[in-house]
This record gives sequence, structure tokens and C-alpha cells, in this order.
Amino acid sequence: GAVVSQHPSRVICKSGTSVKIECRSLDFQATTMFWYRQFPKQSLMLMATSNEGSKATYEQGVEKDKFLINHASLTLSTLTVTSAHPEDSSFYICSARVKAGWIQETQYFGPGTRLLVL
Amino acid sequence: SQQGEEDPQALSIQEGENATMNCSYKTSINNLQWYRQNSGRGLVHLILIRSNEREKHSGRLRVTLDTSKKSSSLLITASRAADTASYFCATAVNDYKLSFGAGTTVTVRA
Repeated sequence: GAVVSQHPSRVICKSGTSVKIECRSLDFQATTMFWYRQFPKQSLMLMATSNEGSKATYEQGVEKDKFLINHASLTLSTLTVTSAHPEDSSFYICSARVKAGWIQETQYFGPGTRLLVL
Repeated sequence: SQQGEEDPQALSIQEGENATMNCSYKTSINNLQWYRQNSGRGLVHLILIRSNEREKHSGRLRVTLDTSKKSSSLLITASRAADTASYFCATAVNDYKLSFGAGTTVTVRA
């Protein structure tokens, strides 16, 4: 159980286009989803926290108009990188925390999405 | 922001040997978690240790937590080639947001 999927797994786009990444919890309902960014050989940096039905909370230094997050249901959150530029190229990983009643402390991570902006 | 620091940055060992890595953090925590990441993949949760626990085992993994020193260690015993990966510690405070350490890259030589 507790599987999180991401789609697409890899995307290449031209500079100036927008890219949408989906994060789904497949067999559980996620109270909260998190979006991280990881540069090569570096750690994960939290970008934003997404709660179902409410606005995302962004970490300091993360542009909310650049990285649009929508958490439409308890199983789906989307991250849209708007007007992508080469410096947005990175590995984007989502995670989901289960709804109350389960063990809330553990986050389950998706497999990641590799974004390359040309 | 990143609050964990891991040591060493990289570790190369022979199959069958033990691997030990350390994590230090700065603020009070609810729990500390260890994750594994294979190259270019997502994270796999390994073990969670709560702030009132001192040691925890899971299979070949042993985690210790010293809240007075704000540090934790992960020991992998009898390492296998499949253990080759990056290992991250992550600390959770009141809102359960995770702050990740820089990671330790472990290479197990056959």
C-alpha cells in the first residue's frame, strides 16, 4: 500500500512553455502533499505544501506565480511550471502524507519527474 | 530550509562490510527519518525514530538518535551491492514538514 505516482516521469520542453506535473496517491487519501526540487547530487529542497481544497503554502524564495500548485482532490495534486526556463531544469518529487487515522508521520514519495528545459 | 548535515558525503565499502553514516541537525524535532534514493529515482522510506526513542532496528538497519547531541546514525550491516544508493536523513518538526540532510552516497563493491 501507500503508493504515490507521478506523471510524466520525464519531460523535455522549450523555453517559455508551461509544464504540468501530476502527483497521485493511488491507494490512500492524502491530507497533504509536498513538492520538492532536487538538483543533481544535491538534497531535496521543499518548495511548497499543498492541502486539499486550500491554497498551497510556499517556502521562502519559491515564486508562487512561477510554480502553480493545485490540490483538487485527496488523491491528486498538480505542479505547473509556468514559462519554464533552462534554470528550472531539475528533478521534481512529490510526497503525500496520509489522512488522519493512519500513521501521519510518514511521507510516501513519488518516483520523481525529470524536467529539462531547452 | 535544510537543517540536516550528513557525514560522510560519500562512502565506499566492500560487500559484506558494515556502513555507518551520521546526521546532525539544529532544532528540536518530533522525529527523524532515513530515506534511500537510487540514482534518478524517488525516495524510499527506511525507518522513523521518534524523539523519545534512542535506538531502532529494521532488518539490517540500525538507527540511533541522541537528542542531546542532535545527531543520529544509520548503520547498514552486511552490506550488499543492492544497498548502493544515496541515503538521506530528514527531520520533522511540529507541522511534519521534512527537512532533508545533504545525503551520503554509499557504494558497495562486489
